[in-house]
Amino acid sequence: ETGVTQSPTHLIKTRGQQVTLRCSSQSGHNTVSWYQQALGQGPQFIFQYYREEENGRGNFPPRFSGLQFPNYSSELNVNALELDDSALYLCASSLKEGNYNYGYTFGSGTRLTVV
Amino acid sequence: GNSVTQMEGPVTLSEEAFLTINCTYTATGYPSLFWYVQYPGEGLQLLLKATKADDKGSNKGFEATYRKETTSFHLEKGSVQVSDSAVYFCALGLTGGGNKLTFGTGTQLKVEL
Repeated sequence: ETGVTQSPTHLIKTRGQQVTLRCSSQSGHNTVSWYQQALGQGPQFIFQYYREEENGRGNFPPRFSGLQFPNYSSELNVNALELDDSALYLCASSLKEGNYNYGYTFGSGTRLTVV
Repeated sequence: GNSVTQMEGPVTLSEEAFLTINCTYTATGYPSLFWYVQYPGEGLQLLLKATKADDKGSNKGFEATYRKETTSFHLEKGSVQVSDSAVYFCALGLTGGGNKLTFGTGTQLKVEL
């Protein structure tokens, strides 16, 4: 089975620009979650997608948005980039059945630098 | 709200030393508890987990016991190796809460020869 893959691995953007990060979920998983990990910090939950709809959101502004596609892959979009958006963005996929998430698996992340 | 507190690092040990990394949590409800490891330049890997009180998670010589009475989930290993050098994250997840994970700030472990 394939794991979670994210692209690109590194990205440099200018303040005010927009960025799209991509994630392919592990085979058999139907849920994707996105996390932001600032340098020296633990990951912070951005949002989760299940059945192509947002299924929970952390304390992030609306300029952070996402999509989930029928094949369960996902995109994270960030508009109007700010310097503080510089971080490692992690995608995690899981199998949601009822109220439970099984097999939470993380990708290697996309390192975003905003200059 | 839910939160996880870990001991600050870095923790520097000699090879074959005993490791303890403390983790305590605050949660509404009955969380599952996790330890993740992050090697330089990589994402997170699940190290071990426990889903209910008194459960012991174990993997690769690492252990942690879910202590509800002290709201703790301390990570231990009897004999560390240089290859264990990484950042370790304690996390909790709540059933019915979308199962989002709440992480601690991480503890860097350095193991020297």
